[in-house]
Amino acid sequence: QKEVEQNSGPLSVPEGAIASLNCTYSDRGSQSFFWYRQYSGKSPELIMFIYSNGDKEDGRFTAQLNKASQYVSLLIRDSQPSDSATYLCAVDRKGRGSTLGRLYFGRGTQLTVWP
Amino acid sequence: GAVVSQHPSRVICKSGTSVKIECRSLDFQATTMFWYRQFPKQSLMLMATSNEGSKATYEQGVEKDKFLINHASLTLSTLTVTSAHPEDSSFYICSAGQGKGNEQFFGPGTRLTVL
Repeated sequence: QKEVEQNSGPLSVPEGAIASLNCTYSDRGSQSFFWYRQYSGKSPELIMFIYSNGDKEDGRFTAQLNKASQYVSLLIRDSQPSDSATYLCAVDRKGRGSTLGRLYFGRGTQLTVWP
Repeated sequence: GAVVSQHPSRVICKSGTSVKIECRSLDFQATTMFWYRQFPKQSLMLMATSNEGSKATYEQGVEKDKFLINHASLTLSTLTVTSAHPEDSSFYICSAGQGKGNEQFFGPGTRLTVL
């Protein structure tokens, strides 16, 4: 059983729309959740992380976490063509403030924002 | 922000040769470094966790005798792919952290092609 599942997409949205990216995880012991963006041929860039149930907003990005449903999502408001990339969900069993843990990644969702 | 470099960025080698990839934390001391591998259209797969001054911890299914990891200092970890074969061709990415805080900083990656 895969630890982290994402819809591979591709997801295509028009410029200015809201893009919604979803991720589920199998390990109930997971404590930390991360969203990364990866452009083709490049390494991942951290967008944001979330530890607690609920929403966390950072600019145009909102992460949502529901530990009971083992579900985490990322909303991108006012999507721009420059947001076109693959978005990776990652989970860590270690919690906030703990020593660095091992990240397990989903396969990523390819997002295209067309002008 | 924390910067992680990798060298080389790209390497092409013949089957049977060994290749060494360096991962350096440029402006911080990394107590822990991770090595990932990513095949085309696939997720990042954690290969091993490298702690300074101790033996690396390998993920299940990763051959420790084939992928030699050395973390001799707080700013340098190396991954040596021994007797490389075409199936080892992949994008190898390292990440490093400072300890508490969970955030990992990724290097730019090394694309290995084995002919």
